[in-house]
Amino acid sequence: AQTVTQSQPEMSVQEAETVTLSCTYDTSENNYYLFWYKQPPSRQMILVIRQEAYKQQNATENRFSVNFQKAAKSFSLKISDSQLGDTAMYFCAFGAQKLVFGQGTRLTINP
Amino acid sequence: EAGVAQSPRYKIIEKRQSVAFWCNPISGHATLYWYQQILGQGPKLLIQFQNNGVVDDSQLPKDRFSAERLKGVDSTLKIQPAKLEDSAVYLCASSPGTDAFFGQGTRLTVV
Repeated sequence: AQTVTQSQPEMSVQEAETVTLSCTYDTSENNYYLFWYKQPPSRQMILVIRQEAYKQQNATENRFSVNFQKAAKSFSLKISDSQLGDTAMYFCAFGAQKLVFGQGTRLTINP
Repeated sequence: EAGVAQSPRYKIIEKRQSVAFWCNPISGHATLYWYQQILGQGPKLLIQFQNNGVVDDSQLPKDRFSAERLKGVDSTLKIQPAKLEDSAVYLCASSPGTDAFFGQGTRLTVV
């Protein structure tokens, strides 16, 4: 069974700082995807970034980038130049036959 | 492009009553998921459909929960009878293959 672990329940940084959210996962699959989703207070889950396991190059989307370490089964999210609108719950998710989520990290960006 | 539509947004019922949630996925998306998200936790997969067939319902409490996806499009999730511990947000998501797109969810309160 696949499991996803987010070890940081809460994080808080000042606006414009860089923050890194951690995620580890466990699987015996070889082909899979990893995702970071953002969930603001409105509840709607928004896809932030996706990483294909077969790709060695780390995915980037504007201010968001990942550090994917396949051997270590680690998938962290880095947010650069953080903004107030980045305040939300962030969920790491593993996708193969099904999509499995971690417990989430509550990120607060302070002005 | 229209997103995933869910209704109702909020529902309050008494324990032992029944309730139904509706989801209209993005047009053309073959995969449909129902997740249960208890406050402070990550989403837990209840059931996954591929077109109108069930791919995974291993975590669906089948003694009280049921779901169907008619004609491989819309889906309904029903709880009968509801328990206090069913209070949660119920999220529907659809996917064309890799990325999953979520609706705004239904917040259920069982009193």
